[in-house]
Amino acid sequence: DTEVTQTPKHLVMGMTNKKSLKCEQHMGHRAMYWYKQKAKKPPELMFVYSYEKLSINESVPSRFSPECPNSSLLNLHLHALQPEDSALYLCASSLRDRAEKLFFGSGTQLSVL
Amino acid sequence: DAKTTQPTSMDCAEGRAANLPCNHSTISGNEYVYWYRQIHSQGPQYIIHGLKNNETNEMASLIITEDRKSSTLILPHATLRDTAVYYCIVRPGYSGGSNYKLTFGKGTLLTVNP
Repeated sequence: DTEVTQTPKHLVMGMTNKKSLKCEQHMGHRAMYWYKQKAKKPPELMFVYSYEKLSINESVPSRFSPECPNSSLLNLHLHALQPEDSALYLCASSLRDRAEKLFFGSGTQLSVL
Repeated sequence: DAKTTQPTSMDCAEGRAANLPCNHSTISGNEYVYWYRQIHSQGPQYIIHGLKNNETNEMASLIITEDRKSSTLILPHATLRDTAVYYCIVRPGYSGGSNYKLTFGKGTLLTVNP
């Protein structure tokens, strides 16, 4: 199994809603990543988890709250988002915490109304 | 991290070799060159990486110049399914710690034409 699975694939939410994005991998990888990608732009790193601990936060606003319940799961909790947060949210994993060969999911396309 | 420069877009005929250049003139001795691609509406996909020597796998070949200031990704027989944005990324070599990032630049949009 070399897949990173992200759910949901599409999400529409209002600015007062609370929602969560989910990411799962069963490759035994110990590093997991959240990236944000606006249309026609490259992916931008948000968070890195290394061995289930947050190791990098790229100054992301607190309305985005990551969580790593175990080595296979990564969540991104969303609250009070703004329309400009609409983007494709990508999850990735790698065997070790050295940003080597990353496996990406297909992403969650988020629209904030 | 060393910055990379890639052409904004390139075209290639189906069945021909696609040669994608990347400049990384400020690369350090322990930094690797990685290539990823992103097909429309999908997540990025790892292609290949190298340090000094040329590398080849089932997807592509990577040619790194002797001074390491530039590299070329070669897709030997491009197909329509190779149409994608190709990202060249420089990543530091491991020296301990856990703050390693993969930072994407703007990439090259390769369009393979029938």
